[in-house]
Amino acid sequence: EVQLLESGGGLVQPGGSLRLSCAASGFTFSSYAMNWVRQAPGKGLEWVSIISGSGAETYYADSVKGRFTISRDNSKNTLYLQMNSLSAEDTAVYYCAKVFYYGSGGRGIDYWGQGTLVTVSS
Amino acid sequence: EIVLTQSPGTLSLSPGERATLSCRASQSVSSNYLVWYQQKPGQAPRLLIYGASSRATGVPDRFSGSGSGTDFILTISRLEPEDFAVYYCQQYGSSRYTFGQGTKLEIK
Repeated sequence: EVQLLESGGGLVQPGGSLRLSCAASGFTFSSYAMNWVRQAPGKGLEWVSIISGSGAETYYADSVKGRFTISRDNSKNTLYLQMNSLSAEDTAVYYCAKVFYYGSGGRGIDYWGQGTLVTVSS
Repeated sequence: EIVLTQSPGTLSLSPGERATLSCRASQSVSSNYLVWYQQKPGQAPRLLIYGASSRATGVPDRFSGSGSGTDFILTISRLEPEDFAVYYCQQYGSSRYTFGQGTKLEIK
């Protein structure tokens, strides 16, 4: 059974930093790209970042580029998101999400963690 | 960057009725790589439809997806009480995901 368990959320002051972790199990972690997706309170889904299975390729939403860093440790089956220079606009539930491959280039998300809440406030 | 616009924002229907949700893309979606999710309050999203029309594992056959190019539809043939939720469409391109803003399906 696939499980994704996020941790590391909490309350942080504007301008501060936080590192999220996501422990994965139930699948061959290194074979799959992984995402972070966030959802502000009462709002829709916003894609944040993706990392390839090897960790060699990373991509970011414009809203977090230069402030957030996605990484992974395949020996520990763990995904990370380092978040710096946080602002109130970053307040959201952050989901760790496994890529679902289909067709010759299709990408969806077939498993999501339960989410971890990040609140940026003074 | 492709923008996905979902309509309506809120859809009020009764159990047993048919629901039709729309997702319109600002540019043609490559190879119909369009995905639909369902999200219930306090839960993570659930994969429903991929490739515009293929049901994910375990999804009831009352859910169907159709469309191509820039216009896509999610149809729920006969609403069950558990179907009232928020629905999102999503596309993938240029190494990034894009989500629509969601349609809330509420009980009338």
